Amino acid sequence: QVQVVQSGAEVKKPGASVKVSCKASGYTFIDYYIHWVRQAPGQGLEWLGWINPNSSRANSLEKFQGRVTLTRDTSISTVFLEVTRLRSDDTAIYYCARDDSASGSSLEFWGQGTLVSVSS
Amino acid sequence: QSALTQPASVSGSPGQSITISCTGTSRDVESYHLVSWYQQHPGKAPKLIIYEVTNRPSGVSNRFSASKSGNTASLTISGLQAEDEADYYCCSYAGRSWVFGGGTKLAVL
Repeated sequence: QVQVVQSGAEVKKPGASVKVSCKASGYTFIDYYIHWVRQAPGQGLEWLGWINPNSSRANSLEKFQGRVTLTRDTSISTVFLEVTRLRSDDTAIYYCARDDSASGSSLEFWGQGTLVSVSS
Repeated sequence: QSALTQPASVSGSPGQSITISCTGTSRDVESYHLVSWYQQHPGKAPKLIIYEVTNRPSGVSNRFSASKSGNTASLTISGLQAEDEADYYCCSYAGRSWVFGGGTKLAVL
């Protein structure tokens, strides 16, 4: 069965960087896009970006460009989200989610979420 | 881009039907057949309940249905049950990116 499992919670200081991993299993890793979404405490969902694990091409929201990097390692079926120059308003649960098609359709299989806390 | 517009809250009694709207623009909802809906219970990851405007994934109750007209998509839940109490989010492709709605809290009274 399809599973996406994320790395554990992180506590960071403002200005630091964080790298969250998302390991996929149960399907052919390179066949489906993976999205990243975050949810600040008590707030709604915010789409951050997505990566094509086959080509490694990624796209992120303009507001995050320069601070967010999406990468993948096909040898371990894992994608990574790195956020640099962290600010307190980056405190959120970060989710990865596998798309349900090879071309982009919807976020079908979600990871359990990774809490990133940014505090001095 | 701006978030899609959803009502902050809706409510209904068990057995009733409710509809949640999701209003976008010509750059997202109106232009693509790629609207999806997600249910999120407190402390849980979101769950896909509708994809490509009207389709239900396997295992999702047929009490959930959805449609789209112009720049507005809608989710209808019929025969409300206590377990439907949750937050609901719409999402649309917006050309190279995706955008979520602000979310709607459904209360089953």
